[in-house]
Amino acid sequence: GEDVEQSLFLSVREGDSSVINCTYTDSSSTYLYWYKQEPGAGLQLLTYIFSNMDMKQDQRLTVLLNKKDKHLSLRIADTQTGDSAIYFCAEVRGKLIFGQGTELSVKP
Amino acid sequence: DVKVTQSSRYLVKRTGEKVFLECVQDMDHENMFWYRQDPGLGLRLIYFSYDVKMKEKGDIPEGYSVSREKKERFSLILESASTNQTSMYLCASSRGMRGQSPLHFGNGTRLTVT
Repeated sequence: GEDVEQSLFLSVREGDSSVINCTYTDSSSTYLYWYKQEPGAGLQLLTYIFSNMDMKQDQRLTVLLNKKDKHLSLRIADTQTGDSAIYFCAEVRGKLIFGQGTELSVKP
Repeated sequence: DVKVTQSSRYLVKRTGEKVFLECVQDMDHENMFWYRQDPGLGLRLIYFSYDVKMKEKGDIPEGYSVSREKKERFSLILESASTNQTSMYLCASSRGMRGQSPLHFGNGTRLTVT
């Protein structure tokens, strides 16, 4: 399809792992990004991955890239209430194209 | 750290008013963008600029115009505000080649048109 797709909602318990999934469209995208948006704020760059990588780890965050399926995921280990936010994936297609965002709700 | 500053967090305007949304970045970025964000519709690109005095239409430019007289400043103009322009407006900037570096966002301006 034409759109970058994400599930709209995800709910987890504090301390669990969260996995946010994204399907992108352009297999030639050189970079793929994850952004976080807290309530009332703009988007904050969380992490990104180059298309020649399969995985990137940064503290509690793990990004997995499956180029064959054009699938990107963000895993947050030991999820905390402060991780509650909307998470956007984005691909480069001449310009940045964003998914609709996944709202992560973390319950104590 | 890159700082993108939007002049207002909240604005309330009347239908038909001319509205200016201002955005300033302090990292000498070439590229600047205006998005609007609406529930269920995600981020939609209104206009962008890759250089001073240059502008290009995004996906939803109707009812908007922009101005980039200086590299650090990118203004979004609603010539005659309408209620369907009530939204969260996000400004962003990036450096270098198009799409090849991440966008840095301001905190947004929530505009209400009554």
